[in-house]
Amino acid sequence: TQLLEQSPQFLSIQEGENLTVYCNSSSVFSSLQWYRQEPGEGPVLLVTVVTGGEVKKLKRLTFQFGDARKDSSLHITAAQPGDTGLYLCARIGRAGNNRKLIWGLGTSLAVNP
Amino acid sequence: NAGVMQNPRHLVRRRGQEARLRCSPMKGHSHVYWYRQLPEEGLKFMVYLQKENIIDESGMPKERFSAEFPKEGPSILRIQQVVRGDSAAYFCASSSGHSYYEQYFGPGTRLTVT
Repeated sequence: TQLLEQSPQFLSIQEGENLTVYCNSSSVFSSLQWYRQEPGEGPVLLVTVVTGGEVKKLKRLTFQFGDARKDSSLHITAAQPGDTGLYLCARIGRAGNNRKLIWGLGTSLAVNP
Repeated sequence: NAGVMQNPRHLVRRRGQEARLRCSPMKGHSHVYWYRQLPEEGLKFMVYLQKENIIDESGMPKERFSAEFPKEGPSILRIQQVVRGDSAAYFCASSSGHSYYEQYFGPGTRLTVT
């Protein structure tokens, strides 16, 4: 059972379009991370959100953490071919020595020139 | 660039052989994590280690898999008597003790069992 549901699973758009991908959970989490993974490489951390309602911006990427801390979204403005990749959300295990990341399955984004 | 290093990048083993995957954490990092990625299952946590200690191995299969992070040298993920189902990408990540939530990933080892 995936604790984090990501949608859509696949997305193919043209250069210049805007898009939003989602990460949802039935339970509250203390913090959430977004990663981007390119083929043949490891995930690269984009952002960590910790406060309900928080909005963070990274150039053309806008990340939002839901007020109830059960969901998050990533919005990309004017997508470029270099944005192509697998976008993953992950939450950190709670308490004590539990530091493992628990992952969604990701949204595979293709931006066509 | 002192990022997380993994080797080999690609490893092919026949069924029944042993696979040894190596991970050198970022400079100054003493916490190492191993994850496995399968196409239909996504990334799954396997084990979390600090120098000479296994902290959390809740994601490790009970048999054939072991991990270590010695005082000197890289962390090793060892898979004995590999089976086709072990074919996957194995990623190592490292963090400092202060910012454990910032895990930096290596490029992965792609294991293929024939």
